[in-house]
Amino acid sequence: DAGVTQSPTHLIKTRGQHVTLRCSPISGHKSVSWYQQVLGQGPQFIFQYYEKEERGRGNFPDRFSARQFPNYSSELNVNALLLGDSALYLCASSSRPTIVTGELFFGEGSRLTVL
Amino acid sequence: DQQVKQNSPSLSVQEGRISILNCDYTNSMFDYFLWYKKYPAEGPTFLISISSIKDKNEDGRFTVFLNKSAKHLSLHIVPSQPGDSAVYFCAASGGGSQGNLIFGKGTKLSVKP
Repeated sequence: DAGVTQSPTHLIKTRGQHVTLRCSPISGHKSVSWYQQVLGQGPQFIFQYYEKEERGRGNFPDRFSARQFPNYSSELNVNALLLGDSALYLCASSSRPTIVTGELFFGEGSRLTVL
Repeated sequence: DQQVKQNSPSLSVQEGRISILNCDYTNSMFDYFLWYKKYPAEGPTFLISISSIKDKNEDGRFTVFLNKSAKHLSLHIVPSQPGDSAVYFCAASGGGSQGNLIFGKGTKLSVKP
């Protein structure tokens, strides 16, 4: 079975541009979460979607948005990129809407560099 | 304001010895604690978890201890193996975090042969 897949794996943008990151969850998983991991820090929660509805939002500006499609895949969009947006963006999927034990499965991430 | 803290950025141990990774938290409403392991160029993978109603959970070479009064948990790896070399993240859920995890900054473990 395929795990969580993310694309692209690496990308370089310049300040002010827009970026779209994509995620396909594990088959059968209806929850998708997005996390940002800046170098030297732990992953920080951005959004969670379950059954195509937003279930949670972290402390990120409105430049960050996301959506979940009928097939449960998801997109994370970031507008007006800043240098500080350079990070590894992780997508995670789960079969449940809330975290119990450890059933949150992460993809390998999309490495975004903003110049 | 960090709710989950891992104060040791790195730890080096000899193969076969015990590795102890520590984590402190501030939110007494957290109800689940988890450890994730991360290799370079890979996403974090779940290692072991513990409910706030327990004080110990064991899975093979990995044991997590929870001290609620001290708001402290630790991960013990015995015996340590070179393949355990990775960054270990402590994470917590509940306490208003709903469907997401709050992570510490991670501890880089190096196991020397």
